[in-house]
Amino acid sequence: KQEVTQIPAALSVPEGENLVLNCSFTDSAIYNLQWFRQDPGKGLTSLLLIQSSQREQTSGRLNASLDKSSGRSTLYIAASQPGDSATYLCAVVPYSGAGSYQLTFGKGTKLSVIP
Amino acid sequence: ETGVTQTPRHLVMGMTNKKSLKCEQHLGHNAMYWYKQSAKKPLELMFVYNFKEQTENNSVPSRFSPECPNSSHLFLHLHTLQPEDSALYLCASSQDGDGYQPQHFGDGTRLSIL
Repeated sequence: KQEVTQIPAALSVPEGENLVLNCSFTDSAIYNLQWFRQDPGKGLTSLLLIQSSQREQTSGRLNASLDKSSGRSTLYIAASQPGDSATYLCAVVPYSGAGSYQLTFGKGTKLSVIP
Repeated sequence: ETGVTQTPRHLVMGMTNKKSLKCEQHLGHNAMYWYKQSAKKPLELMFVYNFKEQTENNSVPSRFSPECPNSSHLFLHLHTLQPEDSALYLCASSQDGDGYQPQHFGDGTRLSIL
């Protein structure tokens, strides 16, 4: 059974710092990996989706990488801002071979950017 | 309106009540999902509908009953719930249910069972 782990569970950094959030998954047979952001009391906002054949995706100050063979992904945030404070969730779509395409989520990393 | 809209945003109910959660998407997507988010646990997929047909039921208790009358609307009917069912219930949609497209989420319904 696919398991997704995110470390650390919480992270606090000063404004302007570059930072990396980590995600690991136990089974490398995946269709894709997706990073989400969740603000308190809100739903999830999709940030980046990396297909299994891709190595990275970029959007603005965000860069996500995928190393499928080692079961790891990182989300790099450049020049962090207080508005980046949120919980960041990593999720994979495991390849089940049975036509099932369920997103499997980690518990998230709660990021606080201090002004 | 755009995106995925869920109503109500908050719901408090007793264990013997019957209520329904509603989700509507204005993205022209064909797949819709219900998720449960409990404190300190990862999001759990409950149901998947693709072109109005249920394609996934993740061993969800029968006290949760989904309904998908068309590709734009999804309901979750609740009856005889338990205190452990208190959670944030999130609806999502994607272009298709093939796993390659990103899922777009609503803001959820915060459910509290007394």
